[in-house]
Amino acid sequence: EAQVTQNPRYLITVTGKKLTVTCSQNMNHEYMSWYRQDPGLGLRQIYYSMNVEVTDKGDVPEGYKVSRKEKRNFPLILESPSPNQTSLYFCASSSEGTGGFNTEAFFGQGTRLTVV
Amino acid sequence: EDQVTQSPEALRLQEGESSSLNCSYTVSGLRGLFWYRQDPGKGPEFLFTLYSAGEEKEKERLKATLTKKESFLHITAPKPEDSATYLCAVQVGTSYGKLTFGQGTILTVHP
Repeated sequence: EAQVTQNPRYLITVTGKKLTVTCSQNMNHEYMSWYRQDPGLGLRQIYYSMNVEVTDKGDVPEGYKVSRKEKRNFPLILESPSPNQTSLYFCASSSEGTGGFNTEAFFGQGTRLTVV
Repeated sequence: EDQVTQSPEALRLQEGESSSLNCSYTVSGLRGLFWYRQDPGKGPEFLFTLYSAGEEKEKERLKATLTKKESFLHITAPKPEDSATYLCAVQVGTSYGKLTFGQGTILTVHP
């Protein structure tokens, strides 16, 4: 079954304690992204990756790091989490369609992060 | 700056009462416009992709259309199971993999 898997689903942590949220896809997609979703602000892109070792900032990258060492994995790293990073996080993947158009994105089930 | 605005923010319908959701965009070089459905506590689920003005796509009770400035998601004779948040997103220029989302429309269909 084609899917994007995020772990953990729920996480409560303390300010300043480094954490990693994992994301893995089994569709051999080139593109992967991280989003955060907050009430009233919608989905905002944090980082995206066009392929292995190729990443770029989205709209809200401050306080986050990513890496793409393998095509299937795209972990999100919070080196020093703060309460304003409390949010619902989604990972997504998509493939390179023809003519430079992305195909539709498949989303993971989400990670609800609380930083106290 | 690329902007995507959805309206209304919330829409309450009676079962069978058809309506439309709007997604207006101000972007440079639209490559594709995507519609997603999101149920509470779940990730967005893909519905449609539209690439050029005049394009239309249908799926069951849903029909998406695209002009040079906006897209509509028409819902015909909705059922309670159509209740969800509907999101639109755009891909622009050569920023492959980068999507900009609107804030969504929360649709509630009452029996």
